[in-house]
Amino acid sequence: NAGVTQTPKFRVLKTGQSMTLLCAQDMNHEYMYWYRQDPGMGLRLIHYSVGEGTTAKGEVPDGYNVSRLKKQNFLLGLESAAPSQTSVYFCASSPAWDRALNQPQHFGDGTRLSIL
Amino acid sequence: GQNIDQPTEMTATEGAIVQINCTYQTSGFNGLFWYQQHAGEAPTFLSYNVLDGLEEKGRFSSFLSRSKGYSYLLLKELQMKDSASYLCAVMDSNYQLIWGAGTKLIIKP
Repeated sequence: NAGVTQTPKFRVLKTGQSMTLLCAQDMNHEYMYWYRQDPGMGLRLIHYSVGEGTTAKGEVPDGYNVSRLKKQNFLLGLESAAPSQTSVYFCASSPAWDRALNQPQHFGDGTRLSIL
Repeated sequence: GQNIDQPTEMTATEGAIVQINCTYQTSGFNGLFWYQQHAGEAPTFLSYNVLDGLEEKGRFSSFLSRSKGYSYLLLKELQMKDSASYLCAVMDSNYQLIWGAGTKLIIKP
């Protein structure tokens, strides 16, 4: 009953370092998403994927890259971390959207990332 | 631009009823979602409305008026465990979710 699993749960980086956040889902969902959540703001979409091998930019893609080599995994990369990227990052997944079936997004527990 | 507005914080008493409002202006409309998020945890799905009217699920109900760009989440018989943030999100014409900043609900005994 894992659902959506994110690793790591916490990380502290220095400015300029790189890292990759991993998201894995076991629900066979087609769509996957990366969000960031900052105090006083709504969830903001960074990148998303509608299927294996495809990715697209969301609202705030700058400074991030993603890859979806396997259907169950969605990776978020920070090539050169900046303090402005300090945030809580959530991965989510959903079935291919069908208006009649109401397909909510299922979220992982989040990764708390601090950039010093 | 696209905008979702909801109150920042609300306080209610255990056992009472509370209504959390959400107004929206988006490029297109493909439904409105309510999520619950406890502090330090992931958002979890509560309800979905795409047609006008009231959807009831146990102690929680959600209402939608598309002509007014308005929704509310109604929580009855409040329990201490209902203390959480409640997030309103609208799916726009591109099937992307636009999120409000959330309403922090504080329940007092």
